[in-house]
Amino acid sequence: DAGVTQSPTHLIKTRGQHVTLRCSPISGHKSVSWYQQVLGQGPQFIFQYYEKEERGRGNFPDRFSARQFPNYSSELNVNALLLGDSALYLCASSPEGGGAYGYTFGSGTRLTVV
Amino acid sequence: AQSVTQLDSQVPVFEEAPVELRCNYSSSVSVYLFWYVQYPNQGLQLLLKYLSGSTLVKGINGFEAEFNKSQTSFHLRKPSVHISDTAEYFCAVRARNFNKFYFGSGTKLNVKP
Repeated sequence: DAGVTQSPTHLIKTRGQHVTLRCSPISGHKSVSWYQQVLGQGPQFIFQYYEKEERGRGNFPDRFSARQFPNYSSELNVNALLLGDSALYLCASSPEGGGAYGYTFGSGTRLTVV
Repeated sequence: AQSVTQLDSQVPVFEEAPVELRCNYSSSVSVYLFWYVQYPNQGLQLLLKYLSGSTLVKGINGFEAEFNKSQTSFHLRKPSVHISDTAEYFCAVRARNFNKFYFGSGTKLNVKP
């Protein structure tokens, strides 16, 4: 079975631009979470979606938004990019929205804002 | 809310030596505890997790961790490391019935020949 798939793997954007990152969860998983990992730090929670509904939101500005599609894939959108948005963006999928189920992480999208 | 402190940002160790990576957490509610490993330019791979029951948890690649509720710690150990264990290790907590991980800042394990 394929793991969590993220695209693109790398991209470079200019300040003020908009970016869309994509995530396909493991087959059968209905929950997707997004994390931002700035260089030298641990990942920080951005969003969680379960059954196409937002279940949680981290302390990020409104420039960050996300959605989940009927096939459970997800997009993370960031508007008006800042240099500080440069980071590895990780997607994690799980069978359900909480509980003891494990979360499987993708390899991430490396975003560089110049 | 929860928080995680990884006490060592870098741990150098010689091959075949034992290693312990320290993790302390803070939480007002019951939590699940996790250790993840991240190799360069890759995502996070689950090493092991503590959900309930026995406080000694065994994971992949010969790693184990012990949950100590009184000391709010979840230290990761391996009796004999290999060069291939060189990576960054993250401790994480997640409150039960909640969906958000809190990660520590990571410990870089550097195994020397």
